[in-house]
Amino acid sequence: GAVVSQHPSWVICKSGTSVKIECRSLDFQATTMFWYRQFPKQSLMLMATSNEGSKATYEQGVEKDKFLINHASLTLSTLTVTSAHPEDSSFYICSAQGRDEQYFGPGTRLTVT
Amino acid sequence: AQSVTQLDSHVSVSEGTPVLLRCNYSSSYSPSLFWYVQHPNKGLQLLLKYTSAATLVKGINGFEAEFKKSETSFHLTKPSAHMSDAAEYFCVVSDGIWTGFQKLVFGTGTRLLVSP
Repeated sequence: GAVVSQHPSWVICKSGTSVKIECRSLDFQATTMFWYRQFPKQSLMLMATSNEGSKATYEQGVEKDKFLINHASLTLSTLTVTSAHPEDSSFYICSAQGRDEQYFGPGTRLTVT
Repeated sequence: AQSVTQLDSHVSVSEGTPVLLRCNYSSSYSPSLFWYVQHPNKGLQLLLKYTSAATLVKGINGFEAEFKKSETSFHLTKPSAHMSDAAEYFCVVSDGIWTGFQKLVFGTGTRLLVSP
């Protein structure tokens, strides 16, 4: 099946710094990718829909200036958490829209100290 | 708006016994429904999906689910649990409208525990 990778798998950063997470579709092209956030023992919440070559569409309540999304190619989308704070610590998951289903990456654990 | 309710946060079964994970949905449209499984340190994997064809859907690893419109349910079952089935399971709904992609709404998840 189709494979989506994320890098890094985990990252620790200091409060106030920015961190970039990459999401790649390894064996298919994805016009649309999605970014989710998962809190411990909770569900996945859609943060934004990322379309190649255009601006991302953010869900209500998600700060677009805080969570910068870039989808510069059909195989790569990036999420940058700017001026990170401890409350941004979470598990971030991306997915890529395939022909019939979304394929999910393994997730990135972000810890902000 | 679409939503799903997973009625059990945890389900414990013994190996070899049946599995039932319950899910109820709410949708303004004819929904697409999915079950995903999440193993630690692995990406979510699609188990099965319902997209208005047969109401009994068979998926991978022996799982199946039945779409019951009258009960707005989409429960996941497996006749015989295996130790490797222990994971987090998510019931997911989409509005079924294809615009090149589908936005998914996840339930809160059910953790399946399988004991020897």
